[in-house]
Amino acid sequence: EIALTQSPATLSLSPGERATLSCRASQTVRTYLAWYQQKPGQAPRLLIYDASNRATGIPARFSGSGSGRDFTLTISSLEPEDSAVYYCHQRSNVHTWTFGQGTKVEIK
Amino acid sequence: EVQLVQSGTEVKKPGESLKISCKTSGYNFISYWIGWVRQTPEKGLEWIGVIYPGDSDTRYSPSFRGHVTMSVDKSMSAASLQWSTLQASDTAIYYCARCRVPYARDAFDIWGEGTMVTVSS
Repeated sequence: EIALTQSPATLSLSPGERATLSCRASQTVRTYLAWYQQKPGQAPRLLIYDASNRATGIPARFSGSGSGRDFTLTISSLEPEDSAVYYCHQRSNVHTWTFGQGTKVEIK
Repeated sequence: EVQLVQSGTEVKKPGESLKISCKTSGYNFISYWIGWVRQTPEKGLEWIGVIYPGDSDTRYSPSFRGHVTMSVDKSMSAASLQWSTLQASDTAIYYCARCRVPYARDAFDIWGEGTMVTVSS
C-alpha cells in the first residue's frame, strides 16, 4: 500500500497569507494525486486533480504542483472560508488508493 | 445538477446486517465509476473501493474486501454498500462519491452527504 504523509499537521495563518501544504508518497504515484477540502460536518470537496488541475468552480488562489513522490497544495492568499482540513489522495494503483491524514488550516 | 443523496443514519448491533444506499441524479449513471470512502476520527479517510455501474465491475481495497459488498441498481440509478455481519469497528461515516470522468477510475468530484453508521451493543 502506498502511504501518503501530509505536513504540517496544522497550519495557523492570517488572512491574505500564503499557505503551503505538503504531501509525500512512500513510492511514486506519478501525477495521480488529488487534493480535497473538508469543512466540519461536510463531505470532502475536490480542489485539484492529477496533481495540478483545478476542479470545476475552484478559485484560482488554489494551485497544485508536483509529481512522483512530492506534492504541494498552495493557497496563494488565504480567505476566512479556507479554514478546513485538506487531504491528498492517490489513485496510482487501483488496488491501493489511499488518503493522507490531513492538514488542518486555521485562519487567525 | 449532479447529486448523490445517501440514506440516513443507522444504529445497529454487532452481528447485524446493513445496506446503505446512494441515489444519484443529473448524469448518466452507468458511465461513471462510483466509490465508497469511510471516515473515522482515528483513521481519517479510507478508500473502500469503486464500482462501475455499466457492468458492476468492482475494485476493493484489500482492507475491506470480504467484509463489505458494493452493488448497483441501474433501474434506480443507485449504488449500495452492504455488510452481512457488522462489527463495532464499522462505526464511521460512509461517503459515496462519483469519479470525475466517464469510464475512468478518477478523482472523486461529486460526493454524497455521508451516512453515519453506529454499531454498538
